[in-house]
Amino acid sequence: AQSVTQPDIHITVSEGASLELRCNYSYGATPYLFWYVQSPGQGLQLLLKYFSGDTLVQGIKGFEAEFKRSQSSFNLRKPSVHWSDAAEYFCAVGSTGNQFYFGTGTSLTVIP
Amino acid sequence: EAGVAQSPRYKIIEKRQSVAFWCNPISGHATLYWYQQILGQGPKLLIQFQNNGVVDDSQLPKDRFSAERLKGVDSTLKIQPAKLEDSAVYLCASSLQGALYGYTFGSGTRLTVV
Repeated sequence: AQSVTQPDIHITVSEGASLELRCNYSYGATPYLFWYVQSPGQGLQLLLKYFSGDTLVQGIKGFEAEFKRSQSSFNLRKPSVHWSDAAEYFCAVGSTGNQFYFGTGTSLTVIP
Repeated sequence: EAGVAQSPRYKIIEKRQSVAFWCNPISGHATLYWYQQILGQGPKLLIQFQNNGVVDDSQLPKDRFSAERLKGVDSTLKIQPAKLEDSAVYLCASSLQGALYGYTFGSGTRLTVV
C-alpha cells in the first residue's frame, strides 16, 4: 500500500535562510509525487509535481524538489525563505488508480 | 478559470444532527474528490467520483456519510447523524484527468460538532 511520511511535524527557520522539508514514500511502482502548501483557512495549492524524467523539478514560488529513488525521498527545498512562506506543507503520492495519499504535513514558521 | 467552489465555509452543529456540504468543481473536470482533514493531520480521501460514478469510497463511513454527484457536475456530501469526531475540514477537489495531473482544491468547509 502507498504511504507518505513527513518526519518533521514543525520547522522554524529565519527569513532568508534555506529550507528543506523531508518526505519519504512507500510505493511499489514509479510514484507520482506532489507537494502542496496550505495557508491558514485556505485550500491546498499545488507547488510542484514529479511524474518522470529529470529528478529535480521546479515549482512555483521558488520551490524545487528532488526525487531520489534510492532513498524513496522527495524533499522540498527553497534557497531563501520569505515570511509569506509560513504555512503547512503536504507531500503526496498518487497512484495509477488516480488515488492520492497525503502525508501528515510539516508546519513551517518563519521568524524575522 | 473559476476555482472549486464549496459552501458553506463554516458550520457548527450538535451531535446527532445532520449536515450537508456542497461542491462545484472546475468546469469540465470529470474527477471529483472529497477529503476529510482533521486538525493536525493530512487530508484523507473519503470518496472519488469519475463523472457521476463512484470510483473509490472505501474510506467513507457509509453508516453515516453519503455523497452524490447526480449529473456529473456538482456534488453533495452528507453526514447523518454527526459525531464529535466528525469535526474537521471537508475539502473538495477536482481534476481534469485524474490525480496524476494534480488536483485543484476548494477552500473547504470547516465543521464543528458540539
